[in-house]
Amino acid sequence: NAGVTQTPKFQVLKTGQSMTLQCAQDMNHEYMSWYRQDPGMGLRLIHYSVGAGITDQGEVPNGYNVSRSTTEDFPLRLLSAAPSQTSVYFCASKLVPGYEQYFGPGTRLTVT
Amino acid sequence: SQQGEEDPQALSIQEGENATMNCSYKTSINNLQWYRQNSGRGLVHLILIRSNEREKHSGRLRVTLDTSKKSSSLLITASRAADTASYFCATSGSYGKLTFGQGTILTVHP
Repeated sequence: NAGVTQTPKFQVLKTGQSMTLQCAQDMNHEYMSWYRQDPGMGLRLIHYSVGAGITDQGEVPNGYNVSRSTTEDFPLRLLSAAPSQTSVYFCASKLVPGYEQYFGPGTRLTVT
Repeated sequence: SQQGEEDPQALSIQEGENATMNCSYKTSINNLQWYRQNSGRGLVHLILIRSNEREKHSGRLRVTLDTSKKSSSLLITASRAADTASYFCATSGSYGKLTFGQGTILTVHP
């Protein structure tokens, strides 16, 4: 199994541009999440999904959209990038709530 | 807002010594998990302790949970240089959402 994969690994955007961060898992996990990690802030939950077709907001959802059309994929869309969205983004999945979570390698995003 | 608060923020020890990291949280939880992050990498799950458990072991790791004090500790015994990493606690509440602390940076000197 590849586990949780994320693309791209690095991305530079200009303010106002949009893009989609890709996340996929091959473990048939129902629960998927997106986090951002900023220095000294730990990880903060952006959006999560408990199954295909079901998404909900986390702690810091503004400026981001998600959809879950399949069990495997959970893309994160930045609608209009802002410098405040410069961060490292992690996708994660787990079989069911309350279980251990598996993380992808991260996407380092810089918005200029 | 962050659920978990970790202490210390940074810890520097010699190889062979034990490392203890603490985590405090504010609301009731279903379980508490510890994760490790090597520089520039994703997080890796270390151990999960449920709210009705008080202590759990996994290899050189020992985790305790005191729900009355809303606190947990992670002990790494006989540390190695390869243990150098950031360690995060995460509390699991409703719908399985994880809330992470700010982490402890552990440096183990050879």
